[in-house]
Amino acid sequence: GIQVEQSPPDLILQEGANSTLRCNFSDSVNNLQWFHQNPWGQLINLFYIPSGTKQNGRLSATTVATERYSLLYISSSQTTDSGVYFCAVVFTSGTYKYIFGTGTRLKVLA
Amino acid sequence: EAQVTQNPRYLITVTGKKLTVTCSQNMNHEYMSWYRQDPGLGLRQIYYSMNVEVTDKGDVPEGYKVSRKEKRNFPLILESPSPNQTSLYFCASTHLLAGGPYGYTFGSGTRLTVV
Repeated sequence: GIQVEQSPPDLILQEGANSTLRCNFSDSVNNLQWFHQNPWGQLINLFYIPSGTKQNGRLSATTVATERYSLLYISSSQTTDSGVYFCAVVFTSGTYKYIFGTGTRLKVLA
Repeated sequence: EAQVTQNPRYLITVTGKKLTVTCSQNMNHEYMSWYRQDPGLGLRQIYYSMNVEVTDKGDVPEGYKVSRKEKRNFPLILESPSPNQTSLYFCASTHLLAGGPYGYTFGSGTRLTVV
């Protein structure tokens, strides 16, 4: 069936370390977004990236649509990066519904 | 300030007592949606709307109703809440492009407890 899988499910880093989060999806997509849910529960849009590469400060993302995956890179991590990272996709074959992955829970230690 | 406003932020209610969670956006977005978030299950879509008077079911619509009488408002109605609807609820909105919804903005969430 249609799936969005994220890995790893959990990640613990020391402040200053780099990390790569992965999102695999089972079919072609029209849209893909990365979100950060902070420890207070707020959901923040990081990237809208159905294909290609984007960068915003210490964060960057790459989506290879033909191979059905997206990567989120966090460089020089800070404690404020802690939280859960979700990718969400709109499948080309589906209705206009965003399907969320189950997330990667990141904890950055000082 | 561009935002999605949900109210209330916290709500404790009793089984069977009808309630409405309001959602309003000031960005003239066509697309609005409701999600619930539960531990281990991630975010699941309840209902969405592509424009005024156009609504459709998401993945978990049972027990919920919505309406879209105005572009800016998209209330979520629980006619007879049950304890399994205890959850964290999010409203989201975005513009609708040819390929679908683009660039979600989320509300701050409503934590609902049904006892």
